[in-house]
Parts: sequence; C-alpha cells; structure tokens
Amino acid sequence: DAGVIQSPRHEVTEMGQEVTLRCKPISGHDYLFWYRQTMMRGLELLIYFNNNVPIDDSGMPEDRFSAKMPNASFSTLKIQPSEPRDSAVYFCASSFAPNGAGELFFGEGSRLTVL
Amino acid sequence: QQQVKQSPQSLIVQKGGISIINCAYENTAFDYFPWYQQFPGKGPALLIAIRPDVSEKKEGRFTISFNKSAKQFSLHIMDSQPGDSATYFCAASNGDTNAGKSTFGDGTTLTVKP
Repeated sequence: DAGVIQSPRHEVTEMGQEVTLRCKPISGHDYLFWYRQTMMRGLELLIYFNNNVPIDDSGMPEDRFSAKMPNASFSTLKIQPSEPRDSAVYFCASSFAPNGAGELFFGEGSRLTVL
Repeated sequence: QQQVKQSPQSLIVQKGGISIINCAYENTAFDYFPWYQQFPGKGPALLIAIRPDVSEKKEGRFTISFNKSAKQFSLHIMDSQPGDSATYFCAASNGDTNAGKSTFGDGTTLTVKP
C-alpha cells in the first residue's frame, strides 16, 4: 500500500490567500485525522472523521479553518484567509482500528508558510 | 489542560547507552498507549504500543514499561544507536469515549552520539 498521501508537500503563500491541503488515506481505513505540528504547540488534533463524517472538530482553531471528506478516499483542509500564525506542518493520518483506538498512519505532512 | 506530560524535552546519549523517556497521563479511561518515532521531514510512525492489561512490552531494543497505579509509562531504548536519533512522542487514547482521539505528549528529541 502507498500509505497516506498528502499534497502539496510544501506551500508558501501570502497572508489573506486561500490554502487547500489534500489527503488520501490508506484504503480500508475508516478514520481520518488532521493534525498540526508546531514547535510551540507540538502535535495538535484539529479534526477527525469516521466513515467520512466529522466526529470532533473542537481542535479547529477558528472559522477560517474548514475540513471536508466527500468520500472515503479524499479529504481537504482549507484555510481562508490564511495568516502568518497558521505556518506549521499539517499532517493527515488514518486508522482502521475498532473505535479508532489503534495505530495512526501518518502522511509525510504539508509544510505551510504564510508570509 | 495537558492530559499527557512527557519528559525530558531533549536527551543526549552515547552510542550503546540506554535512552529513557517518560510520560504521565491524567485520564484513567485511556486504554491505548503508543510511542511514535519521527525523523526530520517525515510524519510520526508507530514504534511500539501497550494496553493497560500488561506492565511491559518488548520489541527488539525497545521496551515500554507501564505503571497503571502511577499513571505513568516509559520508553526504554537499549543499546542506543545513532540511527535512533529522532523525536519520540508518547500518546494515549480511549476507544470507548473518545474514539480515535489520541492525545500526544510534547515530544523528546533524542540524539545518540557515536
């Protein structure tokens, strides 16, 4: 299996622009997670889906962030408008364990820089 | 409120030495405790995990020790090698009440000197 695939790997944009990050989970996994990693805050869970349905979005920083999972093989995380403090590495992860309490398979991340 | 506290923040060990990283948790409902290893430019990857029905789990040079009463668990890396230099994260989750919601520690940057 190819693993979790994220794109783009690197994104540099200017403040105010819209940013869309994409994720393809491992086939057969029914949980999908979006994490943000920064030096200051470590790994933060932003939102997660089960069977394409958002279960918990309490980690989404504010209304500028939105996530969708239109089907089992694709998810997007959108930031509009972007701000310099959104600069971070965004990871997508998927899991197949019952109740989700199992191994997380992470993608290689999307490094976002907002100027 | 941080539910998983990890220490130390950074660790330097000589090749062949033992690396020990500790984590403490607060939520007694957690029932899955993994350790992830992350190399620069890569996503975290599962290294080893334990459930609270056992006190120790060993896989090669890596061992998790689990103390349920103290709400602590630790990662021991025996015969540490330069290739083990990475950032290590402990995590905890509960399958019943917070399905899929893993809480991560802040990470420990391990450097193994040759």
